[in-house]
Formats: sequence, C-alpha cells, structure tokens
Amino acid sequence: ETGVTQTPRHLVMGMTNKKSLKCEQHLGHNAMYWYKQSAKKPLELMFVYNFKEQTENNSVPSRFSPECPNSSHLFLHLHTLQPEDSALYLCASSQDTSRTTGELFFGEGSRLTVL
Amino acid sequence: ILNVEQSPQSLHVQEGDSTNFTCSFPSSNFYALHWYRWETAKSPEALFVMTLNGDEKKKGRISATLNTKEGYSYLYIKGSQPEDSATYLCAPLKANDYKLSFGAGTTVTVRA
Repeated sequence: ETGVTQTPRHLVMGMTNKKSLKCEQHLGHNAMYWYKQSAKKPLELMFVYNFKEQTENNSVPSRFSPECPNSSHLFLHLHTLQPEDSALYLCASSQDTSRTTGELFFGEGSRLTVL
Repeated sequence: ILNVEQSPQSLHVQEGDSTNFTCSFPSSNFYALHWYRWETAKSPEALFVMTLNGDEKKKGRISATLNTKEGYSYLYIKGSQPEDSATYLCAPLKANDYKLSFGAGTTVTVRA
C-alpha cells in the first residue's frame, strides 16, 4: 500500500467513448503526475500538477485532458482515443516539485484498452 | 528528457546467486538518480535516491553505487531470492529540473 489509489484498474473503451481515470493520494503530497507506459517502452511523463497548478504538459494530445481539483485528487479524462493509446497509465505523487530528491509514490496503474 | 540506458534488458538468476546490472545516463548537469523496483501487478516503489559521486546505498540484500563523473550506476542483488523478481528502473534527474527520465528497466527473474 503506497498511499496512492487508482481507479479503475482496468478499462476497455471504444474510440468514441468518454471515460475518466481517477487517482487519489493520502500522503499529504502537493505534486501529482500522470505517466504512460506502453509495451517495452520506458515510463513517459504526461502531466504534472504542483499545488493544483499544471506545470508540465509533455506534448500530450488533447484527447487526454487532466484535471486536478485539489492536491489529493487527479483525473485523466479520455475522449476519442485511438487504439495506440492502449497502455498502462500510472499516477504518482511527491512532496512537491521543488524537493527533487524526494521519491515518487506510485499507484498500481490503470490498464487501458482502446478498441 | 535524458537518454537513459539500462542493461541488460532482462536477466535470469538462480536463487542464492548474486547479480548486478547497470544504468547509464548523461553525466553533464547531473543532480540525482532514483532507483525503483516494480513487481508485476504492483506499483513501482522507490529503492534509493542518490546524489553524491561515489555514493553507495544499501537496503537489505540490495545495494547501489553511483559514478556521476562517468554517468553510471550499478545495482547489486546479493543472494537473490524469488521475491527479488521484479523490473528495476533507474531515473536520473538534471539540475534545475524536477522531471525524472526513466530507463526501460532491467527485469530480473529469480529461479528457485
């Protein structure tokens, strides 16, 4: 138990669907991250929020829309995805982005399949 | 995003044997190196955060060394056990940045 919970753990959606991934952390952290892991590839940073403000959008297509209503919750809204977006989406948190030797705490991921 | 190489990509080790593997990263502008262990169907968990050249950290049977001048880190597992089976990720951090660049990982399988 890392203190970071992701739901759902598995999601299958069609290309025209709208769905959302949810992440919640109980660690009192102020930074939250979305990472994508495709098969055989390194973890790829998508978005970063620090104190609820988005500080990083790593050239992610607009069909992925993040939302961070407070420091404990992070969402990834999905709309008109492509089959190549099928991947494991990991959420992580850290104390904040200024403490760069602080480790990341990860959730178990949401496995997304786009049909 | 930094170019991070981990080798080998995978390895198999007999229970009780020791093993090690490498993480290579650009040495310029280095600030810190993270190591994470990722067991199947679980979340990645931090093993070490290393900052100093020549640093050595240890957690149980797992240890890591860091050479910031030449840009590499070794992770060692002594007396491997089945529970050590996992993918080990390294992620360096540049100075004045907060974004980790992850390597593709080394997947260790310990055979009983």
